[in-house]
Amino acid sequence: DAGITQSPRYKITETGRQVTLMCHQTWSHSYMFWYRQDLGHGLRLIYYSAAADITDKGEVPDGYVVSRSKTENFPLTLESATRSQTSVYFCASSDPWAGGTTDTQYFGPGTRLTVL
Amino acid sequence: TQLLEQSPQFLSIQEGENLTVYCNSSSVFSSLQWYRQEPGEGPVLLVTVVTGGEVKKLKRLTFQFGDARKDSSLHITAAQPGDTGLYLCAGEEYNFNKFYFGSGTKLNVKP
Repeated sequence: DAGITQSPRYKITETGRQVTLMCHQTWSHSYMFWYRQDLGHGLRLIYYSAAADITDKGEVPDGYVVSRSKTENFPLTLESATRSQTSVYFCASSDPWAGGTTDTQYFGPGTRLTVL
Repeated sequence: TQLLEQSPQFLSIQEGENLTVYCNSSSVFSSLQWYRQEPGEGPVLLVTVVTGGEVKKLKRLTFQFGDARKDSSLHITAAQPGDTGLYLCAGEEYNFNKFYFGSGTKLNVKP
């Protein structure tokens, strides 16, 4: 099915380990985003990408690394996981050139990450 | 720093009641979106408002964008249990396709 998928859906890791969260979309949307959702903070933008090989920082980028070698994939890596990175991570995509006055973001189902 | 403040944070009402959720900021946005999120899922877009003063209706939901493009409200008429969920507003940084989300309003509609 077409859409936006995230893997894994659940992950438990230990402090100091490297973790990569995957995001894949089948719409060929130009923009992709990574958010984290914590109680009391809503969704906070970590990184976003306007196209393959173009990425930029959001509100809370520290401790995270992204890459986008292909339009459809946007992996998020926690280089050395910390307990404060325990959260639910959402990937989203949009295509501002699809028509209309602004952009609809389509969200994946989320990855629940626990860092022990 | 939260650019967008939503109120109330929690709302528990009886079926049939009306309610209003507010989304306020000191920043100006080029557009503002409202999303609804169910447990275990990603947010789903309800509406986008673009013009200051704009009002959009989606069945029993009425969305308004403030004249100065700094605030918005969501009004639900005759709430139903199916309206239960987390409602999030998101403001777009001017023409950059970058969105800042509010902390959300958790609505529970009791039958």
